[in-house]
Amino acid sequence: AQSVTQPDIHITVSEGASLELRCNYSYGATPYLFWYVQSPGQGLQLLLKYFSGDTLVQGIKGFEAEFKRSQSSFNLRKPSVHWSDAAEYFCAVGESKLIFGAGTRLAVHP
Amino acid sequence: NAGVTQTPKFRVLKTGQSMTLLCAQDMNHEYMYWYRQDPGMGLRLIHYSVGEGTTAKGEVPDGYNVSRLKKQNFLLGLESAAPSQTSVYFCASSNVVTDTQYFGPGTRLTVL
Repeated sequence: AQSVTQPDIHITVSEGASLELRCNYSYGATPYLFWYVQSPGQGLQLLLKYFSGDTLVQGIKGFEAEFKRSQSSFNLRKPSVHWSDAAEYFCAVGESKLIFGAGTRLAVHP
Repeated sequence: NAGVTQTPKFRVLKTGQSMTLLCAQDMNHEYMYWYRQDPGMGLRLIHYSVGEGTTAKGEVPDGYNVSRLKKQNFLLGLESAAPSQTSVYFCASSNVVTDTQYFGPGTRLTVL
């Protein structure tokens, strides 16, 4: 069955610290992978996506993600977190029909 | 260019009532989607459309109907609302199947 797992429900980091949000997937074919961010009371905004090619993908707001086929992972990273990064982050896999993970809520301490 | 808009933003229904949620996009996108978001469950696809006049079932279609009579609009209907349909509903659209999905701001629905 196709699925996406985000093992961390909540993560708290200090401003300026590095961040890694984990995402593992189960998908039959070569996956299309996405990371979305949702600020409180808002819709979702695409951070980055992977379709093929270079396994390290750059996105908006200084985020990047690395596709590791052997580990079925697509982890999101940022070298230095800003207070405005506090939000909920969703990993998704699919083509015409996206399957979303349950999300990771990020809190940033000053 | 408003992107994806949803009407209404909030609604409270009683069990058994019906309502329609409207999604509109001004980006000339072919694909449109309806999701529901529940705490701890991420977003789940209800129905989607790959073009005007076509619809297809997603992951959780029961209790919902949809119509795509115009390319820019995608309607989600609840014929007989149930408390289990209390959720936040998001509409999204994309140009092609592998393209970025653009999301609306959401509709918060409460069924009493």
